[in-house]
Amino acid sequence: GQQLNQSPQSMFIQEGEDVSMNCTSSSIFNTWLWYKQDPGEGPVLLIALYKAGELTSNGRLTAQFGITRKDSFLNISASIPSDVGIYFCAVDLGNTGNQFYFGTGTSLTVIP
Amino acid sequence: SQTIHQWPATLVQPVGSPLSLECTVEGTSNPNLYWYRQAAGRGLQLLFYSIGIDQISSEVPQNLSASRPQDRQFILSSKKLLLSDSGFYLCAWSVSMDTQYFGPGTRLTVL
Repeated sequence: GQQLNQSPQSMFIQEGEDVSMNCTSSSIFNTWLWYKQDPGEGPVLLIALYKAGELTSNGRLTAQFGITRKDSFLNISASIPSDVGIYFCAVDLGNTGNQFYFGTGTSLTVIP
Repeated sequence: SQTIHQWPATLVQPVGSPLSLECTVEGTSNPNLYWYRQAAGRGLQLLFYSIGIDQISSEVPQNLSASRPQDRQFILSSKKLLLSDSGFYLCAWSVSMDTQYFGPGTRLTVL
């Protein structure tokens, strides 16, 4: 079955630091998504990537779709306390029903 | 704009009791709908998805069932809850092949 490896599993950083996390797979996927989940809430879509090599920004967030289509990374610049949460990558399985498969998440803690 | 609602937000139920969680989507037609379960704040497990009314696909064998009586309504049910059914249940929708949007979730505790 599919497997998405997200790393690191958790991060503890000082406010103002930059953050980098990534997601890798042994299979090729044509769509990669990054979500953020605040405690007790549903995941919120941050960035969607549709083209290999694509680099997309959303405010302080930047994500890239790997050229091999087997990986993606998410960077957060100048972290702030509200960046705390769990970040998930997800890939489109490309099958009936538009199913996505989610990684196990990276938990981010920002220390003020 | 589209919105997705889930209720209840939290639920505490005894083992063996029935369950009904509801999800509705507004502002779109014929969405794909999904139920996920999340344990311990990580790992979203897809339980069911639906591409249309009364068209439900199950991803994992379990104690739960799903129904879609209307285009924008998705219901997750159980006749008898187990302790292992505790978790955070998330409903999601999509209308294209490139994104999914999640509801606020229901926290279920089975005692």
